[in-house]
Amino acid sequence: AQSVAQPEDQVNVAEGNPLTVKCTYSVSGNPYLFWYVQYPNRGLQFLLKYITGDNLVKGSYGFEAEFNKSQTSFHLKKPSALVSDSALYFCAVRDWDSASKIIFGSGTRLSIRP
Amino acid sequence: EPEVTQTPSHQVTQMGQEVILRCVPISNHLYFYWYRQILGQKVEFLVSFYNNEISEKSEIFDDQFSVERPDGSNFTLKIRSTKLEDSAMYFCASSGGPSEQETQYFGPGTRLLVL
Repeated sequence: AQSVAQPEDQVNVAEGNPLTVKCTYSVSGNPYLFWYVQYPNRGLQFLLKYITGDNLVKGSYGFEAEFNKSQTSFHLKKPSALVSDSALYFCAVRDWDSASKIIFGSGTRLSIRP
Repeated sequence: EPEVTQTPSHQVTQMGQEVILRCVPISNHLYFYWYRQILGQKVEFLVSFYNNEISEKSEIFDDQFSVERPDGSNFTLKIRSTKLEDSAMYFCASSGGPSEQETQYFGPGTRLLVL
């Protein structure tokens, strides 16, 4: 079965510093990986995805993610954090046992302090 | 930028009542989904819908749940007789195609509270 794990419930970063939100995956086929962000009282917004190709994927709001096959990881990164990046971040993977399902991680709350 | 919209944003209902959650997917999308997130838990898949029929459903999606596309724009989730444990945030999503590579775009959610 497919799964993703987000080992950190909370990540705290000072504004201007680089941030990393960790995600590891377990899949039976090719990993199709996604990051979504949930701002307070808002829905899930798509940030970026990895399907194939370059291991460094660039997405919205200056975020990027690095696909690492040997470590089965897909960490979300940003070189310089903004206070407005504070939100709940979800890593997700397409379920190969399903025609349509996305499996979400438990989420990591990112808090950027001024 | 096109987006998925959902109404209402919040719904409070009594146990045993029927609720209908509404969604307007992105206009040129053909695949529609419902997910839910119980407070403090993961986002879970409920059902996918294409060509006016359910393509896949999870074990959560029992006979109390139904989905419908009543017209060319709306996509609804009906819970016939709500239970306390149905309290959750319900997200609608849509995608342009069937490929596993297609991104699912989510709406803002409807927070359902069953009393």
